[in-house]
Amino acid sequence: AQSVTQPDIHITVSEGASLELRCNYSYGATPYLFWYVQSPGQGLQLLLKYFSGDTLVQGIKGFEAEFKRSQSSFNLRKPSVHWSDAAEYFCAVGPLSGGYNKLIFGAGTRLAVHP
Amino acid sequence: KAGVTQTPRYLIKTRGQQVTLSCSPISGHRSVSWYQQTPGQGLQFLFEYFSETQRNKGNFPGRFSGRQFSNSRSEMNVSTLELGDSALYLCASRDGYEQFFGPGTRLTVL
Repeated sequence: AQSVTQPDIHITVSEGASLELRCNYSYGATPYLFWYVQSPGQGLQLLLKYFSGDTLVQGIKGFEAEFKRSQSSFNLRKPSVHWSDAAEYFCAVGPLSGGYNKLIFGAGTRLAVHP
Repeated sequence: KAGVTQTPRYLIKTRGQQVTLSCSPISGHRSVSWYQQTPGQGLQFLFEYFSETQRNKGNFPGRFSGRQFSNSRSEMNVSTLELGDSALYLCASRDGYEQFFGPGTRLTVL
């Protein structure tokens, strides 16, 4: 079955420190992969996406993610975290068939940033 | 372009009532999807509409229904509300492979 696992429910980092949020997926083919961010009381904002090609993708707000097929992973990284990055982060996979709209989300990782 | 808009932003209902939520996609987007977000179950796909036709449906009871109009606006309806239907309901419209989400409607069932 298709699934997305985000092993870390909560992560706390200091402002200026580097960040890596983990995402593993289970899928029968090469998936379309996404990272979204959700601030309290808000909807989801797309940070970045991977469809094909270069496995290191750049997104907004200084985020990047690397697709590793051998590890079924799509980890999100940022070299220096800002206090405004505190939010919840969701990894999602989209199937190639059945409509691109059907995203399967991970449980999310809540990021806290200490000053 | 204006983003995805959802109305109302907040709703309070009681058990047994029904509710209708509305979503206006980004101009030019013909596909609309709905998701339910709860602390326990996370983000779950409800259904997708494209050109007024339902193309996909998630694993939800028949109390959850939706429709799409010719202008791509979409509504979802939940009948006979249960306490467990309390959630943030998110609507998304699609451009190519990207989905753009609205701010959501927070439904509280008492």
